[in-house]
Amino acid sequence: QQQVKQSPQSLIVQKGGISIINCAYENTAFDYFPWYQQFPGKGPALLIAIRPDVSEKKEGRFTISFNKSAKQFSLHIMDSQPGDSATYFCAANTDSWGKLQFGAGTQVVVTP
Amino acid sequence: KAGVTQTPRYLIKTRGQQVTLSCSPISGHRSVSWYQQTPGQGLQFLFEYFSETQRNKGNFPGRFSGRQFSNSRSEMNVSTLELGDSALYLCASSLGDSGNYGYTFGSGTRLTVV
Repeated sequence: QQQVKQSPQSLIVQKGGISIINCAYENTAFDYFPWYQQFPGKGPALLIAIRPDVSEKKEGRFTISFNKSAKQFSLHIMDSQPGDSATYFCAANTDSWGKLQFGAGTQVVVTP
Repeated sequence: KAGVTQTPRYLIKTRGQQVTLSCSPISGHRSVSWYQQTPGQGLQFLFEYFSETQRNKGNFPGRFSGRQFSNSRSEMNVSTLELGDSALYLCASSLGDSGNYGYTFGSGTRLTVV
């Protein structure tokens, strides 16, 4: 049973557009919500993360929006670039030692 | 600062054999977690080690085991390999302190079971 549900499975966006990926969770004990970016042949790399006491966090072109009451969080990639083409994973964790619960992943393709 | 190093990068094994994968964490990181990544099941947590002790374990059969050495390097072992064990095995290291969730992943070991 997947504890973190991610959508869409894939998306295509034009260069300069906005990519939006959504995740939902059930376990209210989760207190850390990271997003990872993975390129083919590489391990996931931490992109940005948020705690539930914050509703939004921005780092460069990447923004996390967090809705605690709805138990949802999303990643916005502004001004998408071809180099952003990758698979993105949302995840969640409690203070339970290394056990990140990952979403299924979203393959993002940015067309020139 | 060196990242997380996993060896080997690629492995081909036969059903029934066993395999050992190695992970060297970032210097100073005391926690090492292992994940299995497959197209069908995605990223699934195997186990986590901290100061040579297994601190958390996922829902995998006993054929999957691991250990951590005093220098924080970790190994995972899979015995009696099955075709379904073909996957990318990733390890992640972190400081391991309570509330510190900065996990850094290695590039993984691609295991193919034939």
